[in-house]
Amino acid sequence: EVQLVESGGGLVQPGGSLRLSCATSGFTFRNYEMNWVRQAPGKGLEWVSYITSDGYAKYYADSVKGRFTISRDNAKNSLYLQMNSLRAEDTAVYYCARDDIQLWLTFDYWGQGTLVTVSS
Amino acid sequence: QSVLTQPPSVSAAPGQTVTISCSGSRSNIGNNYVSWYQQLPGTAPKLLIYDNDKRPSGIPDRFSGSKSGTSATLGITGLQTGDEADYYCGTWDSSLSGGGVFGGGTKLTVL
Repeated sequence: EVQLVESGGGLVQPGGSLRLSCATSGFTFRNYEMNWVRQAPGKGLEWVSYITSDGYAKYYADSVKGRFTISRDNAKNSLYLQMNSLRAEDTAVYYCARDDIQLWLTFDYWGQGTLVTVSS
Repeated sequence: QSVLTQPPSVSAAPGQTVTISCSGSRSNIGNNYVSWYQQLPGTAPKLLIYDNDKRPSGIPDRFSGSKSGTSATLGITGLQTGDEADYYCGTWDSSLSGGGVFGGGTKLTVL
């Protein structure tokens, strides 16, 4: 069974940093591209970032470019999101989502999400 | 403001059929495949339709998808109370900024 479990969310002050993790199991992690998708309270989904299976190519939404960094450790079956210079508008539930192996940016499995709150 | 446009809400009675539209442009829906996601209250999104009209295993054939030009449509027949959820369309945008894009979501109410 495919499982994605996010952790690392919490309350952080504006300008602060946070690192999210996504532990995976039930599939061969190193073969799949991965994403982070977020959802602000009461709002819709927003794609945040993507990383290739080997970790060499990374893409970001304009709203987080230069502040967030996606990475992965294929030996640990884990995905990460380093978030710096956090703003109030970054407050959201952050989901780890697996990319379909054939269809780019089609999210076939999602984690349960971790809440990030940016507030003073 | 979402890149893809969906109606904020739709409603219908149990047993009825409903459609949800998703409108985009040539740089996203017009040139790329569309997926649909169902988000039940308090849960993570779940893939419902991929590659415009295909259903993952376990998704009943009451759910269908189609695409024409720069628009896509999700159809649900034989509505059940358990179908009450938010539905999102998604694709990717091949413009300069690129990346994944979603619709703003449609709240389905089964009366």
